[in-house]
Amino acid sequence: AQKVTQAQTEISVVEKEDVTLDCVYETRDTTYYLFWYKQPPSGELVFLIRRNSFDEQNEISGRYSWNFQKSTSSFNFTITASQVVDSAVYFCALSDPNFGNEKLTFGTGTRLTIIP
Amino acid sequence: SAVISQKPSRDICQRGTSLTIQCQVDSQVTMMFWYRQQPGQSLTLIATANQGSEATYESGFVIDKFPISRPNLTFSTLTVSNMSPEDSSIYLCSVLDMGLTGELFFGEGSRLTVL
Repeated sequence: AQKVTQAQTEISVVEKEDVTLDCVYETRDTTYYLFWYKQPPSGELVFLIRRNSFDEQNEISGRYSWNFQKSTSSFNFTITASQVVDSAVYFCALSDPNFGNEKLTFGTGTRLTIIP
Repeated sequence: SAVISQKPSRDICQRGTSLTIQCQVDSQVTMMFWYRQQPGQSLTLIATANQGSEATYESGFVIDKFPISRPNLTFSTLTVSNMSPEDSSIYLCSVLDMGLTGELFFGEGSRLTVL
């Protein structure tokens, strides 16, 4: 069975600090996808990234960066120079290989609060 | 990218009643998915809805409780039947982007409160 663990339930940091959200996953499959979604207070889910299990290169998109390490089954997300607008719940998710990308197993989420 | 509209956005319901949630997509999609997010919890897949066939339900979810319709490639409904307070959740419709991103697009959700 697949499992995604986000051990950090809540994190609070002062604006402009860097913050890393942890994600550890379990799967028996060699081919899978990992995702991060943001859920702001308004409730909608915003797609941030999808990473193929064969691509271990770190990715940077503006203030966001992701560190994927298969050796530790982790896919951590770092926000640099955090801003108040980053306050949200962040979900890490893992795809079900039998369905491709469409069936996702979500972690329990990390509530990030940026203090002005 | 797909734009998904859900109705209602929120509702307060009485115990024992049923409510149907509508999901409209601005493009034709093969598969639509219904997720539930209980208060303070993560998202759990309820079922996968393909046009022209019966929905496929995940473990713990049954058709009698959550009947789903998928009359065409842009529309689906989820009914929450005989509601109890435990059904108070956000229900989200989602579709898959068949393009490069493989992104799963989500509607804004329908927040149901059962009294």
